[in-house]
Amino acid sequence: EIVLTQSPATLSLSPGERATLSCRASESVSNLLAWYQQKPGQAPRLLINDASKRDTGVPARFRGSGSGTDFTLTISSLEPEDFAVYYCQHRSNWPLTFGGGTKVEIK
Amino acid sequence: QVQLVESGGGVVQPGRSLTLSCAASGFTFRSFGMHWVRQAPGKGLEWVAMIWPDGSNKNYGDSVKGRFTISRDNSKNMLYLQLNSLRVEDTAVYYCAREGYEGWFDTWGQGTPVTVSS
Repeated sequence: EIVLTQSPATLSLSPGERATLSCRASESVSNLLAWYQQKPGQAPRLLINDASKRDTGVPARFRGSGSGTDFTLTISSLEPEDFAVYYCQHRSNWPLTFGGGTKVEIK
Repeated sequence: QVQLVESGGGVVQPGRSLTLSCAASGFTFRSFGMHWVRQAPGKGLEWVAMIWPDGSNKNYGDSVKGRFTISRDNSKNMLYLQLNSLRVEDTAVYYCAREGYEGWFDTWGQGTPVTVSS
């Protein structure tokens, strides 16, 4: 099973600041990694697929990068609606796994 | 619009069974792989099971293998998850999710809660 480790667990930032979230895989997943955003009481929402492709309607301030074992989600300038929990997920092999999540909270 | 609506959750005793359903609408259901993903209270996401568009292949997470069964009825646009031998640690919100053309979970339902407790 591929283990995805996300860091930090919590990121305390102010609106307008830049957020940098990390996801590290226990073995190479090539570019088969996605990022999801989840707000309280809601289902997750796909933001980034194939490591760097923004899903339909996702604002340009969200950028995914990386390949192999190290991936980054960058939010260039935090908007109030961006404060949420973010998960990475791979589909390199079975079983599919998610990272433990990074909570981006208002400082 | 593309929509997934889960139902069937509830409170059940350890060792008992439960069947979850997911009604799909707004897209050609038989063309898409479908998944179940769960989230324990206050915890992260855990992939549970996947079924191919025609139902010919299925995959399961290690924690549910042998106890849960995923199935679908393409004539009714329905996805199911049969949960047997339930354990306290199966307590979670269960989401159904569509596997989009690029292979990712591009559409999610609102989730149905399952509580396993004596």
